[in-house]
Amino acid sequence: AQSVSQHNHHVILSEAASLELGCNYSYGGTVNLFWYVQYPGQHLQLLLKYFSGDPLVKGIKGFEAEFIKSKFSFNLRKPSVQWSDTAEYFCAVGDGGATNKLIFGTGTLLAVQP
Amino acid sequence: DARVTQTPRDKVTEMGQEVTMRCQPILGHNTVFWYRQTMMQGLELLAYFRNRAPLDDSGMPKDRFSAEMPDATLATLKIQPSEPRDSAVYFCASGLGTSGGAADTQYFGPGTRLTVL
Repeated sequence: AQSVSQHNHHVILSEAASLELGCNYSYGGTVNLFWYVQYPGQHLQLLLKYFSGDPLVKGIKGFEAEFIKSKFSFNLRKPSVQWSDTAEYFCAVGDGGATNKLIFGTGTLLAVQP
Repeated sequence: DARVTQTPRDKVTEMGQEVTMRCQPILGHNTVFWYRQTMMQGLELLAYFRNRAPLDDSGMPKDRFSAEMPDATLATLKIQPSEPRDSAVYFCASGLGTSGGAADTQYFGPGTRLTVL
């Protein structure tokens, strides 16, 4: 069965600090990988996705993620966080099929202090 | 700007009452997903549809939950009877899936916050 692990449950950073959130998945077949963000009181929004091609994916708001197939990882990064990045971040893996059923990680709550 | 809409946004009810949540997927999307989000369990997939047909509802308690798509513009999730442990935020998402190829991104609605007293 597919599973997604997010190593950090709660991260606290100061503005301008660099961010890296870990995500590992277990699935042997073709995968589609996603990072979603949920700002306080809001719904999930797509940050970035990887389907194929360049394993370094650029998303919105300066986020990027790197797919490393040998490590089954898809870590999220941002060089310099802002207070407005305070949110919960979810990694998700899709099975790459026609429906793309998603399995979500447990989420990482990021708090950025001004 | 196409969006997934959900109603109601908030629902407070008493144990034993029937609850119906509605979702309007983005026009043209053919896959619809229902998720439940709680502090303890995180995001759980309850059920999903493709071209209005239910593909998998194994994540849903069958005795009290039911999900349907009466037409391509409406998906419903019903709980009868509701219990306090059903209190959660229920999200609907839609996407475009094509046979034989990888599906597109899922777009989430704003959610329905359900409180069962």
